[in-house]
Amino acid sequence: AQSVAQPEDQVNVAEGNPLTVKCTYSVSGNPYLFWYVQYPNRGLQFLLKYITGDNLVKGSYGFEAEFNKSQTSFHLKKPSALVSDSALYFCAVRDLNTGFQKLVFGTGTRLLVSP
Amino acid sequence: DGGITQSPKYLFRKEGQNVTLSCEQNLNHDAMYWYRQDPGQGLRLIYYSQIVNDFQKGDIAEGYSVSREKKESFPLTVTSAQKNPTAFYLCASSIGQTGFSYNEQFFGPGTRLTVL
Repeated sequence: AQSVAQPEDQVNVAEGNPLTVKCTYSVSGNPYLFWYVQYPNRGLQFLLKYITGDNLVKGSYGFEAEFNKSQTSFHLKKPSALVSDSALYFCAVRDLNTGFQKLVFGTGTRLLVSP
Repeated sequence: DGGITQSPKYLFRKEGQNVTLSCEQNLNHDAMYWYRQDPGQGLRLIYYSQIVNDFQKGDIAEGYSVSREKKESFPLTVTSAQKNPTAFYLCASSIGQTGFSYNEQFFGPGTRLTVL
């Protein structure tokens, strides 16, 4: 089965420092990977996706993600964190075993950026 | 939250009542989805629809029902058979078309349902 794992429930970082939110995946075939962000009591907002090509994907709000096939990882990164980046982050993978665009989500990682 | 609206934002239900959550999109997307979000469990798929007048069960469909009479609308009914309905419900849509496997989904702002 297709799946993603987010090993950290929470990540703490000081404002201005680089941040990394980890995601590993398990798929059969080529992975289609996504990152979403959720602010309190809001829906999910799309940040970026990896389909094919360059292993470094750039997305919204200064975020980027690095696809690493050998480590089956797709970590979300940002060079300099902002307090406003504090939110819940979800990694997701396209489930290729279904005939529709099903996404399988991780359990989420809460990012707290301190001033 | 793009062109997807959900109403109401907060909903309170008494035991034994059915309630219907609204989801409307103006993105001209073919596919629509309903998810349930519980703390620490991520999102779980309840139902999905790839085209008008067609829908399929997701991973946790028991106690829920949907309809897709119009392209822009995909209401979810939480029935009294759903034993633990208190949760945050999210509607999403995407372009659809099974050949486009990499299209992202766009989410509405959610409805928080509480059973009293």
